[in-house]
Order: sequence, then structure tokens, then C-alpha cells
Amino acid sequence: AQKVTQAQTEISVVEKEDVTLDCVYETRDTTYYLFWYKQPPSGELVFLIRRNSFDEQNEISGRYSWNFQKSTSSFNFTITASQVVDSAVYFCALLVKDGQNFVFGPGTRLSVLP
Amino acid sequence: DSGVTQTPKHLITATGQRVTLRCSPRSGDLSVYWYQQSLDQGLQFLIQYYNGEERAKGNILERFSAQQFPDLHSELNLSSLELGDSALYFCASSVSPGDEQFFGPGTRLTVL
Repeated sequence: AQKVTQAQTEISVVEKEDVTLDCVYETRDTTYYLFWYKQPPSGELVFLIRRNSFDEQNEISGRYSWNFQKSTSSFNFTITASQVVDSAVYFCALLVKDGQNFVFGPGTRLSVLP
Repeated sequence: DSGVTQTPKHLITATGQRVTLRCSPRSGDLSVYWYQQSLDQGLQFLIQYYNGEERAKGNILERFSAQQFPDLHSELNLSSLELGDSALYFCASSVSPGDEQFFGPGTRLTVL
């Protein structure tokens, strides 16, 4: 069975601080995909990144960066110089290769205070 | 704007009733997914369709059913509604299973 754990339920930081959101996943499949989604207060789910299990290269996109480590089954997300607009619930998700089950973590609520 | 549309945005109904939620996927996407988001259960996968056929089932109750039509839009039918069915229902679409999913704005269902 697949499982995604986001141990941090809520995080509060002050603007311009860096913050890392943790994601640990479980699967027996060797081919899988990991995702991060953002859900701002308006409620929609916004796709941020997709990473396949064969690509452990870290990725940076502006102030966002992702650290994928298969050895620890983790796919952590770092926001550098956080801004108030980053306040949202962030979900990590796992999709196994057959694409039939998309498992979301419980989410981490990030509050960035001015 | 993800390109996925859902109607209605809000729905208020009574226990025991039946409702239909509608989703139009992004142009070119063949897969449609339905999710339920509630405060106590988080984001739960309900069901997936690919090119008109059911492909996977998640935690979908027997009172719920869905279908994907030839034009690829999908409908989620919820019947014999209970208070606990109150939630945000999301539709998502992707080109094919395994690709990133793009989510619609959701339908907020309130059962009184």
C-alpha cells in the first residue's frame, strides 16, 4: 500500500524566512511519481511539481526548491525568502506507475506573517 | 486557471436528496478524477475515468457513482445524502494516467 506522511501539521514563519516542508512516502513500486500541490485560501489546488522515481536531481524554480532522496523516501519542499502570498496548505502526493491510485498526504498549513 | 471547469460552485441540499456534480476536463485530457476533501478525512481519491471507461476506484461509497461521457466531461452522482457528505468535491484531469493532474475549482456541497 502507498502512504504519504507530512508530519508538520502547521508552520508559521515571518516573511523572508526560509521554510522547509517535509514529505515522506511509502511504496513498494520502483516506478512512481511524486507531486506537490498548493491550496491557497481561495481553495483551488495548484500543481507545483512532478518528479519521477528515476530522477533524483534536485530542482529549483525561483524561490521554490525540491530535494528528492530515495534513500530516505523523502521529497522535501523549501521556500526561500517566504512571502505572505505563500500562505496556503501544501500537499505532497504519490502516484504509482499504473496511475490508478493517487495518494495525498494530510497537508501542511503554512502561515507567512508580515 | 487550470482549464478544468466544475459546476455548480456551491450546492446546498437536504439529507436524503440526490445531486449531480459536473466536470469538464482540460482540452486534450482523457483522464478525469474525482476527489472529496473534508476536514476530518483530508483529500480522498474517489474514482478515475480514462477515455470513457472507469479505470480505478478509491474510497467511493456505494451511494456515489460517476461516469465519463463521449465528449469526455464527467458527472459525479451523490444519492441518499447524509450530513457527513458535506465536503469540497474536486475534479481533476490529465492527459493520461500518471501525468500531473490539473484540478478544477471544486464544488462545495453542504448537506443540511
